[in-house]
Amino acid sequence: EILLTQSPAIIAASPGEKVTITCSASSSVSYMNWYQQKPGSSPKIWIYGISNLASGVPARFSGSGSGTSFSFTINSMEAEDVATYYCQQRSSYPFTFGSGTKLEIK
Amino acid sequence: EVQLQQSGPELVKPGASVKISCKASGYTFTDYNMHWVKQSHGKSLEWIGYIYPYNGGTGYNQKFKSKATLTVDNSSSTAYMELRSLTSEDSAVYYCALITTRAYFDYWGQGTTLTVSS
Repeated sequence: EILLTQSPAIIAASPGEKVTITCSASSSVSYMNWYQQKPGSSPKIWIYGISNLASGVPARFSGSGSGTSFSFTINSMEAEDVATYYCQQRSSYPFTFGSGTKLEIK
Repeated sequence: EVQLQQSGPELVKPGASVKISCKASGYTFTDYNMHWVKQSHGKSLEWIGYIYPYNGGTGYNQKFKSKATLTVDNSSSTAYMELRSLTSEDSAVYYCALITTRAYFDYWGQGTTLTVSS
């Protein structure tokens, strides 16, 4: 099983601030996805295939990485970005998710 | 429009079983694997397994192999997950989710809350 270690677990950012979340895989993966989840809602695909923004996702979001190290960045934090973000790999079964990063606004 | 409509919240006693449903619409049900995901309260997501409605083929996360059984009823475009020998550790929100033409979960049900308590 590929373990995904996400950090930080919680991060608070001011409006306009840059935010970076990292996801480290225990083995190399070729395809990393990121999901956004707001309280009481189902997860939504946010970034797929490492760096592709899902439909409707603002351009201030980006993803990068390769092998075992991936990152998720918000260029300029906005209040609507408050949520929990999860990385997920589907390079091998079982599919696994990171532990999540809760993003708060200062 | 693809929709996954899950059954309502469940309160069951320890040791019992429960069957959660996920009714699909807006696409050809037999075309794509239906996946199930567990989210314990305030925690992360765990992939339970999938079923391919076309032939009933399944794949399970080893962790859930003795806990969950996935089935489908193609006549009603409904997927089911049965969980048995329930304990408090099984209390969680369970989601059905689809991977269609892309390599990510692009459609999710609204989630079914399971509470195991005496």
